[in-house]
Amino acid sequence: AQSVTQPDIHITVSEGASLELRCNYSYGATPYLFWYVQSPGQGLQLLLKYFSGDTLVQGIKGFEAEFKRSQSSFNLRKPSVHWSDAAEYFCAVGAWTGFQKLVFGTGTRLLVSP
Amino acid sequence: DAGITQSPRHKVTETGTPVTLRCHQTENHRYMYWYRQDPGHGLRLIHYSYGVKDTDKGEVSDGYSVSRSKTEDFLLTLESATSSQTSVYFCAISESGTGNSYNEQFFGPGTRLTVL
Repeated sequence: AQSVTQPDIHITVSEGASLELRCNYSYGATPYLFWYVQSPGQGLQLLLKYFSGDTLVQGIKGFEAEFKRSQSSFNLRKPSVHWSDAAEYFCAVGAWTGFQKLVFGTGTRLLVSP
Repeated sequence: DAGITQSPRHKVTETGTPVTLRCHQTENHRYMYWYRQDPGHGLRLIHYSYGVKDTDKGEVSDGYSVSRSKTEDFLLTLESATSSQTSVYFCAISESGTGNSYNEQFFGPGTRLTVL
């Protein structure tokens, strides 16, 4: 069965510092991988996705993620965090099991300090 | 932004009462999904639909039923609400896919349900 692990429940980063959010997945085939962001009281917005090809993918808001098959990881990065990046971030793996199934991690809440 | 609306956006109800949440899309996407979001669990799939009148269970379907009589509308019903169903409910949509392709899901704004 597919699963996603986000080992960090909370992360605090100073504004202007770099950010890396960890995501590990379990899936038997080539995964479809996603990062979503949820601002307080809002729905989920897709930041970026990996389907195939280049293992470094660029997303919106200056985010990028790198797919590493050998480590079953899809970590999210940003070189310089802004206060508006404070939100909850969800990693998800997509699988085709007769329908387009999406399995989410438990999320990482990012706090940005001045 | 994908055209997805959810109603109501907030609801407080009492244990034992029936509750229906509505998801409406204007994208003509084939797939529609209902998730619940709880702290420490991320989002978990309740039910999904792959066409009009075609629905199936997700991982946490007990206590919930769904209906889809039109492409654009997907209803989630709690026949007799319990406190354990207090949660934030999200609807999502996606286009058709196959085993060799995958289409991303777009999410609605959510409905916060409190069962007292």
